[in-house]
Amino acid sequence: DAGVIQSPRHEVTEMGQEVTLRCKPISGHNSLFWYRQTMMRGLELLIYFNNNVPIDDSGMPEDRFSAKMPNASFSTLKIQPSEPRDSAVYFCASSGTANTEAFFGQGTRLTVV
Amino acid sequence: AQSVTQLDSQVPVFEEAPVELRCNYSSSVSVYLFWYVQYPNQGLQLLLKYLSGSTLVKGINGFEAEFNKSQTSFHLRKPSVHISDTAEYVCSVTLSGSSYKLIFGSGTRLLVRP
Repeated sequence: DAGVIQSPRHEVTEMGQEVTLRCKPISGHNSLFWYRQTMMRGLELLIYFNNNVPIDDSGMPEDRFSAKMPNASFSTLKIQPSEPRDSAVYFCASSGTANTEAFFGQGTRLTVV
Repeated sequence: AQSVTQLDSQVPVFEEAPVELRCNYSSSVSVYLFWYVQYPNQGLQLLLKYLSGSTLVKGINGFEAEFNKSQTSFHLRKPSVHISDTAEYVCSVTLSGSSYKLIFGSGTRLLVRP
């Protein structure tokens, strides 16, 4: 298995633009997580899905952030409009069952200028 | 609500010395515990996990951790570190059962010096 695949690996965009981050979880996994990592806050859970349904989005910072999971093999995290403070590394992770570890993608480094 | 605390943001240590990275959690129910390692510009990789059974868990790269329920701790140890162990180490917890939500500590940067 290729593992969790995220795209793009790097994204540089101007403030105010829409940004879409993509994630393909490991086949057969039924939980998917989006995390944001910054030097100041470390790893923060933004949202997680179970069987394509959003279970907890309490970590989504504000209405500019939205996430979807239209099917078991694809998820997106969208920021509209983007702001410089959104600059961070965004990780996607997936998990098969409740007592196994989450497998992480390589992350998307987002820079908003 | 569950939470994870890693009090040490950075731990400098000399090569071949022992190291302990501390992790404490809070939860009113049973938990599963994990340690991840993150090398520069990479994603997180599982080091070891505690689900049940023996409280001493051995992981990759010579690391081990001990689950202490009374102290709600899951400290990570290695008897002799190498330069290549320099990385970010992140402790995480999730509730056992159906409510699966992996929560991470703030991470500890292990800096191994020659």
